[in-house]
Amino acid sequence: SQELEQSPQSLIVQEGKNLTINCTSSKTLYGLYWYKQKYGEGLIFLMMLQKGGEEKSHEKITAKLDEKKQQSSLHITASQPSHAGIYLCGAGRAGNMLTFGGGTRLMVKP
Amino acid sequence: SAVISQKPSRDICQRGTSLTIQCQVDSQVTMMFWYRQQPGQSLTLIATANQGSEATYESGFVIDKFPISRPNLTFSTLTVSNMSPEDSSIYLCSVEWQANTEAFFGQGTRLTVV
Repeated sequence: SQELEQSPQSLIVQEGKNLTINCTSSKTLYGLYWYKQKYGEGLIFLMMLQKGGEEKSHEKITAKLDEKKQQSSLHITASQPSHAGIYLCGAGRAGNMLTFGGGTRLMVKP
Repeated sequence: SAVISQKPSRDICQRGTSLTIQCQVDSQVTMMFWYRQQPGQSLTLIATANQGSEATYESGFVIDKFPISRPNLTFSTLTVSNMSPEDSSIYLCSVEWQANTEAFFGQGTRLTVV
């Protein structure tokens, strides 16, 4: 079975700082999803990556999938308190079924 | 896109009782998925539910504890049976949608067992 390892598990940054979250898979990724979850709430879709070397950006968040399709990173530029939450990477299985990493808890200090 | 409604959004239940969670989708879908998110943890897939057949459970989850119904292509229920405090979690449903698109999730049901 596929396993996803996220690092770091938690992160506290000062507002305005950049940060990177990593997601490493035990097997080749055929679809890598990034979600954000505000504490106690539902999931917010961020981005999906499929091709080796692919990179997508939305506002201040950039996600990349490496050429070997076993590692993805999520980079936030100039972090804001609104970026706080839990970031989850998920590996696509059949039919949008996902295996999730352990999550990264992000706090942004004003 | 798919819009998924879950009921209830939250509940507090006594140990030993059962709770049924409903998941309604605004479009017909072949597969529906149920996940559990224990406090401070990530999401874990419980089972996959196809209309007209028994649900397929992931390792560590059994039908007696988490019976699932899938009576039609837009609806599913998950029952958490004989609850204990360890069942306190957020339960989320998701659906199979078009390939290479985002996976859609309901807003979740926050269950607290006392």
